[in-house]
Amino acid sequence: NAGVMQNPRHLVRRRGQEARLRCSPVKGHSHVYWYRQLPEEGLKFMVYLQKENIIDESGMPKERFSAEFPKEGPSILRIQQVVRGDSAAYFCASSPLLGAETEAFFGQGTRLTVV
Amino acid sequence: DQQVKQNSPSLSVQEGRISILNCDYTNSMFDYFLWYKKYPAEGPTFLISISSIKDKNEDGRFTVFLNKSAKHLSLHIVPSQPGDSAVYFCAARFGNEKLTFGTGTRLTIIP
Repeated sequence: NAGVMQNPRHLVRRRGQEARLRCSPVKGHSHVYWYRQLPEEGLKFMVYLQKENIIDESGMPKERFSAEFPKEGPSILRIQQVVRGDSAAYFCASSPLLGAETEAFFGQGTRLTVV
Repeated sequence: DQQVKQNSPSLSVQEGRISILNCDYTNSMFDYFLWYKKYPAEGPTFLISISSIKDKNEDGRFTVFLNKSAKHLSLHIVPSQPGDSAVYFCAARFGNEKLTFGTGTRLTIIP
């Protein structure tokens, strides 16, 4: 399966712990988008990354959230000191082209539950 | 502020009949619209799109209609098949801004 791979699929964290979500894009894709879907809501854009570069982080909460996409390895979305309100499904999508969000392929998502 | 709204959380349709999923938007600047389909435990997959310069786009059993004056778009699936059972998201964008997604409609096709 050469699609977008996200892991873990399910993640349970206690309040105050850190959550690390990984996204391996389609082989050859150098652009990654992260989205969050809160219960009863649509997907909301969080951050757009190119390898070693954050292009647009306008959807990221100002505190506790960070993202990276290193030259080698998967993209990581990190949430520090998680709170109950962080419980959501987090999706990443990858595309081969700059700015081609509408051509991006989505991963299966990581469902984060904060207890 | 939900700029893209899907007011029906769920819809059930008999197999073989037409499924009509609706989406309303508030931002008149949106110029590109998409529909995504999502199966349980999978990510959304692109289904069909339409530019604001058109009012209809067709791809096989799927047709998207855009009514700019009403700020409304709809997805028609005909005939509906059991494999169409999924959650459908509409999304909209203007220029190079990021996509704005609706909350989704769960479609169930009854055999």
